[in-house]
Amino acid sequence: DGGITQSPKYLFRKEGQNVTLSCEQNLNHDAMYWYRQDPGQGLRLIYYSQIVNDFQKGDIAEGYSVSREKKESFPLTVTSAQKNPTAFYLCASSDTAKGGNQPQHFGDGTRLSIL
Amino acid sequence: QKEVEQNSGPLSVPEGAIASLNCTYSDRVSQSFFWYRQYSGKSPELIMSIYSNGDKEDGRFTAQLNKASQYVSLLIRDSQPSDSATYLCAVNLYSGSARQLTFGSGTQLTVLP
Repeated sequence: DGGITQSPKYLFRKEGQNVTLSCEQNLNHDAMYWYRQDPGQGLRLIYYSQIVNDFQKGDIAEGYSVSREKKESFPLTVTSAQKNPTAFYLCASSDTAKGGNQPQHFGDGTRLSIL
Repeated sequence: QKEVEQNSGPLSVPEGAIASLNCTYSDRVSQSFFWYRQYSGKSPELIMSIYSNGDKEDGRFTAQLNKASQYVSLLIRDSQPSDSATYLCAVNLYSGSARQLTFGSGTQLTVLP
């Protein structure tokens, strides 16, 4: 089955710790995205990548970092510089090879909390 | 002005009624519009895409697009309690030098049995 896999489902971060959220897709999509969602709020874009080895900052990139070494994988690191990391993190991908008007499809999300 | 605006709700309708969800957007040249459904604690799920003016029907769902008025809506006919969720409108807007999918903050719908 094709899809987007995020892990872990739940993650706890200690003070001063960096944590990495995994996102893997087998849809052969070129573009991948990371969003943050706070309770009762919409989605805010953290980072996105249109092709391998290239990525751009979204609206709230401070305190986060990403890499895109493989087409299938787009891990997100929440650094200790992100002072309020508690949120629901969503990874998405889209098939931009079909043009720029394609929808995004989401993984099941990772819920991050501070210990 | 927010780039993609939705009524935050909550919107309550009785079972069997038509639920109407509305969305306005700021970019006159947007070409693609999507509706996502998000159940509590879950990730968004794509339910409708619309690219041309007019109506697009898929089962109990109808998306309506009016580019001149910069308005897109979602109608849910014969609403069921299982339709209770937050509905997110998403529009491809220019951000900087590129188009990005921009989400509204969502409308929470409750269908009362």
